[in-house]
Amino acid sequence: KNQVEQSPQSLIILEGKNCTLQCNYTVSPFSNLRWYKQDTGRGPVSLTIMTFSENTKSNGRYTATLDADTKQSSLHITASQLSDSASYICVVSGSDKLIFGTGTRLQVFP
Amino acid sequence: DGGITQSPKYLFRKEGQNVTLSCEQNLNHDAMYWYRQDPGQGLRLIYYSQIVNDFQKGDIAEGYSVSREKKESFPLTVTSAQKNPTAFYLCASSWGGSQETQYFGPGTRLLVL
Repeated sequence: KNQVEQSPQSLIILEGKNCTLQCNYTVSPFSNLRWYKQDTGRGPVSLTIMTFSENTKSNGRYTATLDADTKQSSLHITASQLSDSASYICVVSGSDKLIFGTGTRLQVFP
Repeated sequence: DGGITQSPKYLFRKEGQNVTLSCEQNLNHDAMYWYRQDPGQGLRLIYYSQIVNDFQKGDIAEGYSVSREKKESFPLTVTSAQKNPTAFYLCASSWGGSQETQYFGPGTRLLVL
């Protein structure tokens, strides 16, 4: 069964600290993996996209990694800001559809 | 100002009532999608359309209907047959194919009175 699992479900950190979110998937065949940021009550916005051959992709303070052998991805946020408070969703593209994770809810406190 | 818009932001439905959610895009995308988001669950695909005048059921199409008469517009009707309609509804568009990045609208929250 195609699945995308994210951990932790929720995370609280202090402003300025780093954090790492995890995504494990069992989607086959694999086409690409995306991380989206979703602010409360808003639509998701794409942060990064990685194909099978890519193992690191950065977008400002966001760095995503992909290990296609172990089917794991991580999203590292450096020097967190209050505006990073959001849900982060891992999305894996299979042969003809997208499989969405349930997301990690990140809260950054001052 | 390019993008994808949804209206209304909030919508209330009474028992036995059909309601229609609007989705418009000016990105010239061929494909459009409707998702439902519930707490603690990943987004679930309701319907999608790869081209004008054609659409396919997603994973949870029962109780919903769509139309695609124009490239820019993909309205979703939540019918009275949908017994648990309370959710956050997201519309998205892309150039087509699961390999392409989907761009999401701001969402519509539907509540049942």
